[in-house]
Amino acid sequence: ETGVTQTPRHLVMGMTNKKSLKCEQHLGHNAMYWYKQSAKKPLELMFVYNFKEQTENNSVPSRFSPECPNSSHLFLHLHTLQPEDSALYLCASTQEAFNTDTQYFGPGTRLTVL
Amino acid sequence: QKEVEQNSGPLSVPEGAIASLNCTYSDRGSQSFFWYRQYSGKSPELIMFIYSNGDKEDGRFTAQLNKASQYVSLLIRDSQPSDSATYLCAVRGGYSTLTFGKGTMLLVSP
Repeated sequence: ETGVTQTPRHLVMGMTNKKSLKCEQHLGHNAMYWYKQSAKKPLELMFVYNFKEQTENNSVPSRFSPECPNSSHLFLHLHTLQPEDSALYLCASTQEAFNTDTQYFGPGTRLTVL
Repeated sequence: QKEVEQNSGPLSVPEGAIASLNCTYSDRGSQSFFWYRQYSGKSPELIMFIYSNGDKEDGRFTAQLNKASQYVSLLIRDSQPSDSATYLCAVRGGYSTLTFGKGTMLLVSP
């Protein structure tokens, strides 16, 4: 495996379900990111982890809960989502956060909330 | 609030022509600038980055940066149908995360 991987690639869930998205990077990076991409909107940064510490939370609702057990893995736990949360969720990584390093994106998880 | 503006398009060009994609940004402290390409249903992939005023060329792609005008552009020479995608401009300040524009859809017709 190389680069940044995400699972599942597609997810359909009801508003009362609990699910988790997983991201894994094989690049030896120390920073990982969650983005949300909705139609007609710019990529929205949700969370940033730098050396396993959360360094940014962009006013994301508490129904989204990130977890970063180590520098290679990042999870996004989902609970009681709303239909407007349906979007493409992208994970990215860089060597370190907040510098000029290029971000590498995973393939994304297409989430549909019914 | 940092903003990155792009024309949503679509920008339509014939095969072989030069496609010009433009981006303006609001934060004068921005220091690094990125162009990503995103095919429909796929994740963004980096095409080029530029840090200094002027032009930077990589194959058929040229990034142009004018910090005084807060303007960055991407030129694609000899456009191919495979270049049809959405192009995202992203900007970063000194110690901050990337701010993305909404993207410009490019359509290259055979």
